[in-house]
Amino acid sequence: EAQVTQNPRYLITVTGKKLTVTCSQNMNHEYMSWYRQDPGLGLRQIYYSMNVEVTDKGDVPEGYKVSRKEKRNFPLILESPSPNQTSLYFCATRPGQATGELFFGEGSRLTVL
Amino acid sequence: QKEVEQDPGPLSVPEGAIVSLNCTYSNSAFQYFMWYRQYSRKGPELLMYTYSSGNKEDGRFTAQVDKSSKYISLFIRDSQPSDSATYLCRGSNYKLTFGKGTLLTVNP
Repeated sequence: EAQVTQNPRYLITVTGKKLTVTCSQNMNHEYMSWYRQDPGLGLRQIYYSMNVEVTDKGDVPEGYKVSRKEKRNFPLILESPSPNQTSLYFCATRPGQATGELFFGEGSRLTVL
Repeated sequence: QKEVEQDPGPLSVPEGAIVSLNCTYSNSAFQYFMWYRQYSRKGPELLMYTYSSGNKEDGRFTAQVDKSSKYISLFIRDSQPSDSATYLCRGSNYKLTFGKGTLLTVNP
């Protein structure tokens, strides 16, 4: 079964405590991306990756890091989380760089106190 | 200006109503458009896919593109309570820009 798996699904943490949200896909997709979704602001892209070792900033990259060392995984790293990073995060993948349906994970709800 | 703009609503209609959801876009290079549906506490899922030159119908759903006014629409006929969700539009660029989404509630 085609899957995009995010972990953790829910997390409450404190300001400054580094955390990583993992994303794994089993579809051999080249393209992976992270979004955050906030009320009134919709889905905003944080980072995306066209392929292994190729990443680029989206619309709201500040405070986040990513890496793409292997095709199936695209972790999102918050080195020093702040309360304004409290949000619902989605990982998404698609087969190629320019075409194809986006497949989303189930979401990770992060609260930073 | 964002490349894709969408009225966030919310929109509330009675069961059986015809629903019209709309987005405007500014990037003439978009070759196709997609509509996603997102149920509460779930990730978005692709609902409809249409090229910039035409319309598409799928059951109760119709997606339309008006290139002259840079306007895209999703129509839902005979709306059902199960259609209650947030609907997001997006254009076909590598940054995958989404509209903000419109929250639709269909009341029984």
